[in-house]
Amino acid sequence: EVQLVQSGPEVKKPGESLKISCKGSGYNFTSDWIGWVRQVPGKGLEWMGIIYPGDSNTRYSPSFQGQVTISADKSFNTAYVQWGSLKASDTAIYYCTRTVATTFYYYMDVWGTGTTVTVSS
Amino acid sequence: DIQMTQSPSSLSASVGDRVTVTCRASLSISNYLNWYQQKPGRAPKLLIYSASNLQSGVPSRFSGSGSGTHFTLTISGLQPEDFATYYCQQSYKTLGLTFGGGTKVEIK
Repeated sequence: EVQLVQSGPEVKKPGESLKISCKGSGYNFTSDWIGWVRQVPGKGLEWMGIIYPGDSNTRYSPSFQGQVTISADKSFNTAYVQWGSLKASDTAIYYCTRTVATTFYYYMDVWGTGTTVTVSS
Repeated sequence: DIQMTQSPSSLSASVGDRVTVTCRASLSISNYLNWYQQKPGRAPKLLIYSASNLQSGVPSRFSGSGSGTHFTLTISGLQPEDFATYYCQQSYKTLGLTFGGGTKVEIK
């Protein structure tokens, strides 16, 4: 079974750093893109960016460029998002997704369970 | 960014009803349009990709149509487990994937 297992909930203070993870299993982790999506409580979905674990090729949404760093370690079948200095507005649920990207198709077919990040003083 | 506008933002329907959700793109996106379902406290789930392709395992009462700027998601014969929020998402501009604002389908 294809699965993406995300790290547990985090409670942080403004200005702190954070790295959350997403571990893939049940498929060839290096052959599919992994994307990240943010959902502020009670709000809609926002695409943050994407990484190809095979070569760490990374692309960011303009809205998130410079705000987060997406990375991957193919030896551990794991992708990450990290923040250098959290803000209260980073409070949200963060989902990782397996993303199928071909010439004709581009969609997120497997989603992680989500990591809740709370930033509060 | 390509703006995606869903309508209605919410609707009430009964079990067995035919339900249609509309998504409009601010410019032509060919058929690069996906639909997702999200239930409270759960991750979204892919229903339809490339406008009209049913994802494996998704019931056939779900269907999608459209191209260019106008798309629809139809549920033919609403079931109790279909009460959820539905999102469209354009994948035409891959450096700026955007979602619609969501349509909440509630029980009448």
